[in-house]
Amino acid sequence: GAVVSQHPSWVICKSGTSVKIECRSLDFQATTMFWYRQFPKQSLMLMATSNEGSKATYEQGVEKDKFLINHASLTLSTLTVTSAHPEDSSFYICSGRSEGPDTQYFGPGTRLTVL
Amino acid sequence: QKEVEQNSGPLSVPEGAIASLNCTYSDRGSQSFFWYRQYSGKSPELIMFIYSNGDKEDGRFTAQLNKASQYVSLLIRDSQPSDSATYLCAVLLPGNQFYFGTGTSLTVIP
Repeated sequence: GAVVSQHPSWVICKSGTSVKIECRSLDFQATTMFWYRQFPKQSLMLMATSNEGSKATYEQGVEKDKFLINHASLTLSTLTVTSAHPEDSSFYICSGRSEGPDTQYFGPGTRLTVL
Repeated sequence: QKEVEQNSGPLSVPEGAIASLNCTYSDRGSQSFFWYRQYSGKSPELIMFIYSNGDKEDGRFTAQLNKASQYVSLLIRDSQPSDSATYLCAVLLPGNQFYFGTGTSLTVIP
């Protein structure tokens, strides 16, 4: 299957700081990438869909000014959590949409802890 | 009504048995169907996808699709403790949107 990487895999930061998470499709071009958040023992929650070269589409209830998404190339999307607070602590997972087959491949996730 | 529904479980089966995971979807126009496995603390990984009615086999895994009943299932033969995970069903809708179920937790008892 296609490979998606995320960096960093684990980050701890102080409240009020910003954190950037990178998502890369390593062996395919992803015109669409998705960002999810998952709290312990809960299901995946889609945060936003990003298409290369255009603005991301955010799900209802997700603050676009707090979670900045950039999809500047066909292999890279970034999520920046601005002014992070403890309630933003979660497991953030990206995925890239491939064309053959038309499905999503997930990155390994980034565990964010805000102190 | 949710687009994709799964029984959250937990489902427990003894080692060596067949585990049967079920998923229903609401949009008859859904085109493609996927099963992902997610171990605790890890991200989902794609196990299988199926587009056509009937069965699709890959090793110990068999996906079954019945579009008339809007039902897709995953069978795991000869279940192993390493199969213990949460299994997510996903559907691709005609509008190019993916929907994930909330997942079924499977425990294989040695």
